[in-house]
Order: sequence, then structure tokens, then C-alpha cells
Amino acid sequence: QQQVKQSPQSLIVQKGGISIINCAYENTAFDYFPWYQQFPGKGPALLIAIRPDVSEKKEGRFTISFNKSAKQFSLHIMDSQPGDSATYFCAASPVETSGSRLTFGEGTQLTVNP
Amino acid sequence: KAGVTQTPRYLIKTRGQQVTLSCSPISGHRSVSWYQQTPGQGLQFLFEYFSETQRNKGNFPGRFSGRQFSNSRSEMNVSTLELGDSALYLCASSFSGLSSDKNIQYFGAGTRLSVL
Repeated sequence: QQQVKQSPQSLIVQKGGISIINCAYENTAFDYFPWYQQFPGKGPALLIAIRPDVSEKKEGRFTISFNKSAKQFSLHIMDSQPGDSATYFCAASPVETSGSRLTFGEGTQLTVNP
Repeated sequence: KAGVTQTPRYLIKTRGQQVTLSCSPISGHRSVSWYQQTPGQGLQFLFEYFSETQRNKGNFPGRFSGRQFSNSRSEMNVSTLELGDSALYLCASSFSGLSSDKNIQYFGAGTRLSVL
């Protein structure tokens, strides 16, 4: 199975709140799990990424939590800001030797109200 | 450093026609990947080129093809267009194409193709 399941489809949070987006995968060959942010009219841009050998990675207000046994990972956006309003995609990719082939989740439309 | 450039930004074609999209990667990047983005199917991998060779291929029909030139620029061609081919086509480039924190994929803004 190559799918990556993402939820929720849409999310509305208040400014200063925590946004949480979840993803689950089935393919145990996946070895690299990036999150992308996409604004209207733009291509996706890498936010943060994690490998399975760590359970958590934090960069500024963005944190990835990874549960290898459950094959799940999530993005937490702390102190959410209106400028964070965008579509977020989780993705997964096989091990490095396989070249580039990202499998994306369905996307989450995040709206942060001021 | 210039980003990934895709041309044209918008295209309108009719069923049965063919179309060619262009992608100029970031200077020094040798891997170019193509993705199709639609509201219903999301982002789906089409293929990846590295050093003028197709290295990976997604599950798309043979009407979708691509190539890469010696300067790493890539083109994607869709023949016999169908209504369902209407989508945003995204190109991403990276240095080696291997997935890691040291080899980020940078996406262009895409080409919006409408098939009438």
C-alpha cells in the first residue's frame, strides 16, 4: 500500500491556538516524512521533515511527532497565526536509494482566525 | 538563487490536443520530479528524471511522458488530452533526488492546465 491518510480535511483555530494535523501510512518502506505548506497560487514548500529514528522534531512553532509502531505522524503548530492559514500536506518517501517519489496525504485546509 | 520556474503558468486546450509543459530547476539541481494536483486526487507523482534518465514513474497512462535535457531542464508532454487531465502540474527539483533533510525538494508554482 502506497497511501498516506491525512486528517482532518479542514481545520479552523483561533489565533494563538494549537493546530494539529494527523497522518497515517501503511508502507513500511517509507523512510522520510516531510510536511509541506501550500499557499494559493504557489507550489508546496517544505516546512519540516522527520526520519523514523526519532520520535519528535521541533523547528520554531512547528513540531512533528512520530509513532513508528502505530505508523502515524502528526504536525503541531503552536501559537497559530493568521499567516499560517494555508493547505498542509504530509508526505512520505521510500528509502534514499529509491530516488525521489513523494506520496502525499489528501491535504488539510487550515484557517486561523484573528 | 532563482527558484524552480515553470512555463507557461496557464494553458487552455481542447480534448484530443497535446500539450508540453516546461520546468527549469534550480541551478545545480539534477533531479526533476513532476506531480499532478487535482481537488479530487490531491498530489500524485508522475515521474522523476535524473541526469536525463527517468528514474521513477508513477501510475499514469502512457499519454503522460517527459524528458530531461543535459542542462537539467525538463519537459512534460500529455498527448490526446482528456477532460480529466485538467489539473495543476507541479515540478520539483532537488540536488540528487534522494529523500533526506540534506536534499530538499523545491516546488515551482505550477502550470494550470484546463482541458475543454
